[in-house]
Amino acid sequence: QLQLQESGPGLVKPSETLSLTCIVSGGSFSGSDYYWGWIRQPPGKGLEWIGNIFYTGGTNYNPSLKSRVTISGDTSKNQFSLKLSSVTAADTAVYFCARSLRGAGGSYRHFDYWGRGTLVIVSS
Amino acid sequence: DIVMTQSPDSLAVSLGERATISCKSSQSVFYSSNNKNYLAWYQRKPGQPPKLLIYWASTRESGVPDRFSGSGSGTDFTLTISSLQAEDVAVYYCQQYYSSPLNFGGGTKVEIK
Repeated sequence: QLQLQESGPGLVKPSETLSLTCIVSGGSFSGSDYYWGWIRQPPGKGLEWIGNIFYTGGTNYNPSLKSRVTISGDTSKNQFSLKLSSVTAADTAVYFCARSLRGAGGSYRHFDYWGRGTLVIVSS
Repeated sequence: DIVMTQSPDSLAVSLGERATISCKSSQSVFYSSNNKNYLAWYQRKPGQPPKLLIYWASTRESGVPDRFSGSGSGTDFTLTISSLQAEDVAVYYCQQYYSSPLNFGGGTKVEIK
């Protein structure tokens, strides 16, 4: 059974960089059939897709965050990571990592496995 | 970008009664080459991650009770809970995966009346 586990600091200061890692267990990050993504949910608000990565390193980001986001992967450690720079209080949220299938031609699919999420608070 | 709009924001339904949630996309998420609607529904309970309920607009994920059903095509979609149970209290989200950015609806909170 695939499991995803987010890890990283729960408190980040304004203007600094938020860094999270998602450890993949019970499956392989290197599979050619999947995308791996980050989604967040600010308190009291809806879900926001941050971006996806394919194991070869190809990425796709939400334009609303693109200038501040980097998603990277490490096949040797079976994990992928999120960096969000220049954070403000508006970046306070529960951050989820998730897996989706990758369709023909690289098309997208639904997210079928999710981590439990980790709350990141941006505050001095 | 495809904007996803859900309604209502919240609804209260008696146990055993039907709950209906609407999701509208700003443009069609139907892909004619494979005859599929690129639309999923998720359930989020407090302290838990979103759980996939429905994909391809109407295909129930394995293990999801058959009281949950999805319908619709193009730009108008519906999630129906045919007989609301206490454990169905949650926030429900639709999501399009037709094109990037992969946007979610704003969510609909379902409560017991």
